[in-house]
Parts: sequence; C-alpha cells; structure tokens
Amino acid sequence: AQSVTQLDSQVPVFEEAPVELRCNYSSSVSVYLFWYVQYPNQGLQLLLKYLSGSTLVKGINGFEAEFNKSQTSFHLRKPSVHISDTAEYFCAVSVPGGSTLGRLYFGRGTQLTVWP
Amino acid sequence: GAVVSQHPSRVICKSGTSVKIECRSLDFQATTMFWYRQFPKQSLMLMATSNEGSKATYEQGVEKDKFLINHASLTLSTLTVTSAHPEDSSFYICSASRGQGAYGYTFGSGTRLTVV
Repeated sequence: AQSVTQLDSQVPVFEEAPVELRCNYSSSVSVYLFWYVQYPNQGLQLLLKYLSGSTLVKGINGFEAEFNKSQTSFHLRKPSVHISDTAEYFCAVSVPGGSTLGRLYFGRGTQLTVWP
Repeated sequence: GAVVSQHPSRVICKSGTSVKIECRSLDFQATTMFWYRQFPKQSLMLMATSNEGSKATYEQGVEKDKFLINHASLTLSTLTVTSAHPEDSSFYICSASRGQGAYGYTFGSGTRLTVV
C-alpha cells in the first residue's frame, strides 16, 4: 500500500521569504509524484509532477520540487513567496499500471500562509 | 486543454431529498473518473472510482446505495447523494484521468453540498 506524509500541517512565512513544504511517501513499488494547490472552495490545480528522468522538477508559479528516492521524499520549494501563494498544498502519489487504476493517494495537506 | 467541469458549485437541499452532481470532461475522453469527499481542513478522501460503462468501485466504508455513481459516457460521470442528511454536508470533488497515471488527473472545481 502507498501512503503520503506531509510533516507540517501549517507553514507561516513572510512575503518574499523562501519556503519548503515537506512530503515523504511510502511505497513498495515505483510511484509517480504530484503536488497540487487548492484555493478556498475550489478544486485542485496541478503544480508539478515527477514521472521519471531529472529529479528536479519545475512547476507553475515558480515552484519546484526534488525527488529523492533514497529518502523517499518530494519536497516542494519556492525561493520567494507572494501573498497570492496562500493556499492549501497537497502532495500525492500514484502507482503506474497495475490494478489500482492510477488512483491518487493524498497527504493530509499543508496550509501555507504568507504574511505581508 | 484537459478541462473538467463540475456542476453545481454550490447546492443547498432539504434533508431526505436527493442531489445530483455532474462531472464532465470538456476536451478529452476520461476513461476513469474519481469522486472525492473533503471535510473542512482535511485531505481528500476517495469515495469511488468509476470507469465508463461499468459499475463503480467504492472504497471501504462508503455506502454505494447512498452515493450512486453513474459513468454513462466517456465525458460524463454523475454522483447522486440519495436521501441526504446533514452529515452528508461536505465538499465533493471529481477528477478525471485519461490513462494510467502518467497523464495526471484533472480536477473539477468542487461542489459544496449543504443539507438542512
């Protein structure tokens, strides 16, 4: 079975500061990795994904994440945050192929709050 | 591309009535659609997975007779909450997939259901 752990439920930062949102996963097989952002009362928007290849993945809105297989981590980073980045962020994994039909396993989410 | 339309965005219904939520993939054929439920300040809980033309696969603990899912075409899946009760009040989100994991998942904008 797969599981995703987001170690921080809330991350407050000041505007223009760097931020890292942590994500660790557990799986006995290779996985695809995703980060999504959710604004209040909205669905999820894909920030970035790792399928294979380069372990450093760049996404939208200036975010990037690095896949670390040995540490089973996929931390999300942004060098300088804006007020508009305030939102809930979800890390997720899926298993390519197999009987799970590609369902996503979500972490509990991290609320990023950017203060002026 | 890859737009998923979910309707309605908000609905208020009386206890005991049924509510239908639609999820449409506008510019691609969704072989698989997923229905999630999200409680306040919590992650997304997968309710069921539906494949076009076949019965939905429900997650453990989800009442299939209460949450009816129909995936009649490659672009439309519906979730019907039957005999709704106040405890069914929640945020429901659909997601559509074009294939096994690699293409990612596109989410609808969610439906806020309030049962009074």
